[in-house]
Amino acid sequence: KAGVTQTPRYLIKTRGQQVTLSCSPISGHRSVSWYQQTPGQGLQFLFEYFSETQRNKGNFPGRFSGRQFSNSRSEMNVSTLELGDSALYLCASSRPLGQGAWETQYFGPGTRLLVL
Amino acid sequence: TQLLEQSPQFLSIQEGENLTVYCNSSSVFSSLQWYRQEPGEGPVLLVTVVTGGEVKKLKRLTFQFGDARKDSSLHITAAQPGDTGLYLCAGPSTSGTYKYIFGTGTRLKVLA
Repeated sequence: KAGVTQTPRYLIKTRGQQVTLSCSPISGHRSVSWYQQTPGQGLQFLFEYFSETQRNKGNFPGRFSGRQFSNSRSEMNVSTLELGDSALYLCASSRPLGQGAWETQYFGPGTRLLVL
Repeated sequence: TQLLEQSPQFLSIQEGENLTVYCNSSSVFSSLQWYRQEPGEGPVLLVTVVTGGEVKKLKRLTFQFGDARKDSSLHITAAQPGDTGLYLCAGPSTSGTYKYIFGTGTRLKVLA
């Protein structure tokens, strides 16, 4: 079974630009979560989508947004990029059983974003 | 706020040595997962522990979930250079939100 795929793998942008990252979950997985990973802060939760609905959001500014399509593929967008947005952005998919019950998360390889 | 603290933060050992990584919390988790992440890649799931006191083995790696489900450990026997990487523990938030809490990470380097 194919794993989680993320595109692009690497991206270089300049301050003030915006960027869109894409994630295709494992077939049959309907939950997609996004994380930001930096050396200083570690893995931080951005948001989670299930059936095209954002169910939870981490403590990030409104410049970070996302969406999920009917085929469970997801995109995240960062507008007005700042130098501090340079990070590895990871997507993970799972098949949540519902609130209080969890399935394992499987991660994609990530998109390495560098903001100059 | 649920937190997962890992120790040590960094570990550099010689090939063949044994080591233990700890993941601790003051909160109860319904399950805990351990991941290994190599540079430039996403975390890869190693194991999920669900039952308090549970012990799982994966070749030279032994994972244990604390009886109270507030802590976990990862023990590596006879470490090899291929074990080098960032080890992360993670658990589902129990606050009713659909997110995982990740530990602070342990960066392991095994020298040949």
